[in-house]
Amino acid sequence: AQSVSQHNHHVILSEAASLELGCNYSYGGTVNLFWYVQYPGQHLQLLLKYFSGDPLVKGIKGFEAEFIKSKFSFNLRKPSVQWSDTAEYFCAVNAKDSNYQLIWGAGTKLIIKP
Amino acid sequence: DAGVIQSPRHEVTEMGQEVTLRCKPISGHNSLFWYRQTMMRGLELLIYFNNNVPIDDSGMPEDRFSAKMPNASFSTLKIQPSEPRDSAVYFCASRRGTGLEKLFFGSGTQLSVL
Repeated sequence: AQSVSQHNHHVILSEAASLELGCNYSYGGTVNLFWYVQYPGQHLQLLLKYFSGDPLVKGIKGFEAEFIKSKFSFNLRKPSVQWSDTAEYFCAVNAKDSNYQLIWGAGTKLIIKP
Repeated sequence: DAGVIQSPRHEVTEMGQEVTLRCKPISGHNSLFWYRQTMMRGLELLIYFNNNVPIDDSGMPEDRFSAKMPNASFSTLKIQPSEPRDSAVYFCASRRGTGLEKLFFGSGTQLSVL
């Protein structure tokens, strides 16, 4: 069965610190990969996605993620976080043979101290 | 566009009561998803509709759960009778077409069953 693992459930950083949130998945086939963000009191929204091509993808608000196929990983990064990045971040994986099934990680709650 | 609208935002009920959650997808979207989010299991797909037809309801936990989509602009998720273990956040999402990057989420319904 497919699964997605996010290594950290809670991360606390100071403003201007660098961020890396881990995401690993288990699936042997071809995948699409997503990071979603949920700001306090708001709905889930797409941060970035990887379908094919350049394994380094850039998303909104200065976030990027790198797909490393050999490691089944899709880690999220940001060089310098801001207080407004406080949110919960979810990694999700879609097997390309399905156009509707997303397998979700448990989420990482990120708190940025001003 | 108002986005995906869910109601109520919060629902507190007693065990054994019937609960109905509502979702209005974005106008023009032809797919609708119901998800459940819990601390233990994260985000899980309960049911997926395409063009108002249930395509995959394998995620519906048991017969106490039912979902309907009588038309393109409205869906309900009903739990009867409710149990404390149903306490969770229930999300509705919709999209136009088949791309998962086009998924838009509602703000969720926080359900507490006492």
